[in-house]
Amino acid sequence: AQTVTQSQPEMSVQEAETVTLSCTYDTSESDYYLFWYKQPPSRQMILVIRQEAYKQQNATENRFSVNFQKAAKSFSLKISDSQLGDAAMYFCAYRSAKSNFGNEKLTFGTGTRLTIIP
Amino acid sequence: GAVVSQHPSWVICKSGTSVKIECRSLDFQATTMFWYRQFPKQSLMLMATSNEGSKATYEQGVEKDKFLINHASLTLSTLTVTSAHPEDSSFYICSATKELEQFFGSGTRLTVV
Repeated sequence: AQTVTQSQPEMSVQEAETVTLSCTYDTSESDYYLFWYKQPPSRQMILVIRQEAYKQQNATENRFSVNFQKAAKSFSLKISDSQLGDAAMYFCAYRSAKSNFGNEKLTFGTGTRLTIIP
Repeated sequence: GAVVSQHPSWVICKSGTSVKIECRSLDFQATTMFWYRQFPKQSLMLMATSNEGSKATYEQGVEKDKFLINHASLTLSTLTVTSAHPEDSSFYICSATKELEQFFGSGTRLTVV
């Protein structure tokens, strides 16, 4: 079974600064997807960024980028120019790339609560 | 993107009664939907995977007779908490898969008194 570990329960960053959230995972599969989701106080889960394991290039989405280290099974999220609206719980998630039923499910880490300091 | 609607957003029920939560994909067809439970300040725990037209697959430790899931159409899945008790109070979230991405409902806060 796959596991996802987020070792930072809480992080804080000054507004406009950069912060990196850590995530490691364990799997025996070679093809999979990794995600970062944001859950603000509204509790709505929002996809921040996605990485396909077969791609060597790190994914980027505006101020959000990842450092994907497949050999180390590490998938960290970097938020640049932090904004007050970035304050939320951030969850790292894993999904198998196998297409059969049931393998679309996500395995979530325990989350990191990010606070933005004005 | 895609929109998943979840209803109700909150519900309070008496112990021993049943509560139904609906999850709808509004602008796409979802053959697979997922139901999660989230305790305060904790992560999302997958309860079950529902596939349109077949029985749901429950995760280990989830009572299938207590948490009834019905995925009767390509746009609707329902979760019924039967004979609810205070320990069932939680935040329940559904999601539906479109291509590679899961889209989440806004969640239902269930309080059993």
